Amino acid sequence: EAQVTQNPRYLITVTGKKLTVTCSQNMNHEYMSWYRQDPGLGLRQIYYSMNVEVTDKGDVPEGYKVSRKEKRNFPLILESPSPNQTSLYFCASSLAGGPYEQYFGPGTRLTVT
Amino acid sequence: AQSVTQLGSHVSVSEGALVLLRCNYSSSVPPYLFWYVQYPNQGLQLLLKYTSAATLVKGINGFEAEFKKSETSFHLTKPSAHMSDAAEYFCAVTQGSSASKIIFGSGTRLSIRP
Repeated sequence: EAQVTQNPRYLITVTGKKLTVTCSQNMNHEYMSWYRQDPGLGLRQIYYSMNVEVTDKGDVPEGYKVSRKEKRNFPLILESPSPNQTSLYFCASSLAGGPYEQYFGPGTRLTVT
Repeated sequence: AQSVTQLGSHVSVSEGALVLLRCNYSSSVPPYLFWYVQYPNQGLQLLLKYTSAATLVKGINGFEAEFKKSETSFHLTKPSAHMSDAAEYFCAVTQGSSASKIIFGSGTRLSIRP
């Protein structure tokens, strides 16, 4: 089944404790992206990747890191999480940027206390 | 810079009534435009998209949207609402000459009254 998977689905952590949210897709997509969803703000793009080893900042990259060492994986790293990073995170992939449909993962709900 | 404005954070219609969700965008280059739907506790899925072909775009579940360049709008409509249409709807526009960045609107929650 074609899908985007994220792990974990739920995470409660404390301020400053490094964490990684994994994202994997099995559709051989070139483009991958991370978003955060907050009430009243919609989805905001954190980082995106057009291809392996190519990443770029979205609109809200501060406090996040990403890497794209393999085409299928695009982990999101929070080196020192803070309470303002409490949010619902979505990973998505598409064939390429531009006009192509994005396929979204199920989401990761992160709480930072 | 590109932006997206969705008018109305919450829209409520009766079952069988017309659904109209509004989206206005700003873009310095010809945009790609999308409508996505999010059902409770799920990720987003594509309803329809505009990619500079026909200005009237038909999507899944009976939804359609019309690209109006003069009004910089891409409103989503459905002639007759169904209870299963209750969800949150997001309009999105690509940004930049490479269309690699994507800007989402703040979303509109659609409620259907029996």
